[in-house]
Amino acid sequence: GAGVSQSPSNKVTEKGKDVELRCDPISGHTALYWYRQSLGQGLEFLIYFQGNSAPDKSGLPSDRFSAERTGGSVSTLTIQRTQQEDSAVYLCASSSVLAGSGTGELFFGEGSRLTVL
Amino acid sequence: AQSVTQPDIHITVSEGASLELRCNYSYGATPYLFWYVQSPGQGLQLLLKYFSGDTLVQGIKGFEAEFKRSQSSFNLRKPSVHWSDAAEYFCAVGANTGNQFYFGTGTSLTVIP
Repeated sequence: GAGVSQSPSNKVTEKGKDVELRCDPISGHTALYWYRQSLGQGLEFLIYFQGNSAPDKSGLPSDRFSAERTGGSVSTLTIQRTQQEDSAVYLCASSSVLAGSGTGELFFGEGSRLTVL
Repeated sequence: AQSVTQPDIHITVSEGASLELRCNYSYGATPYLFWYVQSPGQGLQLLLKYFSGDTLVQGIKGFEAEFKRSQSSFNLRKPSVHWSDAAEYFCAVGANTGNQFYFGTGTSLTVIP
């Protein structure tokens, strides 16, 4: 697609329920990131996918959080047994990798706003 | 350790006034540097980036930034602010190898008439 697409844009759930957030990156981008942005806060890195390599999960805050990326494209972030502190905007970004070096600029989706009651 | 510092949490300027948002970074090699803007309820949009070459980079919406290696800074500037520039601004450092991006905590800009 033309840009990074995230769904749902808004999700309200009850404490203890599981939620899935979806990210469809820009076609051809091999790198995909998930970030969390709590109210008035900066960006908290969650997880990074690069091609077929093992993902960098170092930012996941607990084992209730997991993510997968199928076929090197669409990614799903799953939060199990949601807690009120999980309420935040979850941002997805994709990037192309610069030849022989690190990642280029990140292109962000508009985010999924999660509210846990 | 790599890090990005944006010392100003909130800045208020009058419309038409000049603007400078500060960004300092800590990185062991030549960094890739970025400024992003986030309007309320929106994702982050790239304003400009520095990878190499001319240390003064021009971006969209009339913004520019200057990379100063000696000061480990990448400050964002605009000569005349418009009301539509009110937003959250994030500075970021990208590794030139590997995958990591480091974001500052952001500076919130308010523009008064």
